[in-house]
Amino acid sequence: SQTIHQWPATLVQPVGSPLSLECTVEGTSNPNLYWYRQAAGRGLQLLFYSVGIGQISSEVPQNLSASRPQDRQFILSSKKLLLSDSGFYLCAWSGLAGGTDTQYFGPGTRLTVL
Amino acid sequence: AQSVTQLGSHVSVSEGALVLLRCNYSSSVPPYLFWYVQYPNQGLQLLLKYTSAATLVKGINGFEAEFKKSETSFHLTKPSAHMSDAAEYFCAVSTGNTPLVFGKGTRLSVIA
Repeated sequence: SQTIHQWPATLVQPVGSPLSLECTVEGTSNPNLYWYRQAAGRGLQLLFYSVGIGQISSEVPQNLSASRPQDRQFILSSKKLLLSDSGFYLCAWSGLAGGTDTQYFGPGTRLTVL
Repeated sequence: AQSVTQLGSHVSVSEGALVLLRCNYSSSVPPYLFWYVQYPNQGLQLLLKYTSAATLVKGINGFEAEFKKSETSFHLTKPSAHMSDAAEYFCAVSTGNTPLVFGKGTRLSVIA
């Protein structure tokens, strides 16, 4: 079966500090990978998605970036965090193993920028 | 482009009462439709999905949804609410090769 991991689970960072959130998927190969942000009362915002290693599509211009150094690893980064970056970050995957149309979500990372 | 509208950001029902969460979609091609549930501080869990087979889709935890093309709707129902159903529910749409587009969510409260 497939599992998706995110870490850290929670993070408190000062404004201007860097960020690195990691997501890994097990039990499948060549998944599509997604990063979403969920701010309080604002639903889910798609930030990035990737259909393969080194292939990243950005949905919203901002100070965040994403990378996919390995097939089942997706990293969300920032060089300098803003207060507005606070939120709940969710990673998801889709692929042949679970149905290409269906996304499966990780447990999330709660980021607080102070 | 696809879009989803969830009517009602907050729905409150009594325990044992019918749950009805509304979702309307917009899509230029036949859509795939989904309902997810999110418990506090957790990721989203797939409840059910419609992918052009039967229009009435049964999911986990006793939930079901009916695809109505003429009404562009995919409302989620459960005959009898349980306290454990209290959560946030998201409707989503895709065309199969695009990322899901989510509604803004509906928070369900269940009153004892």
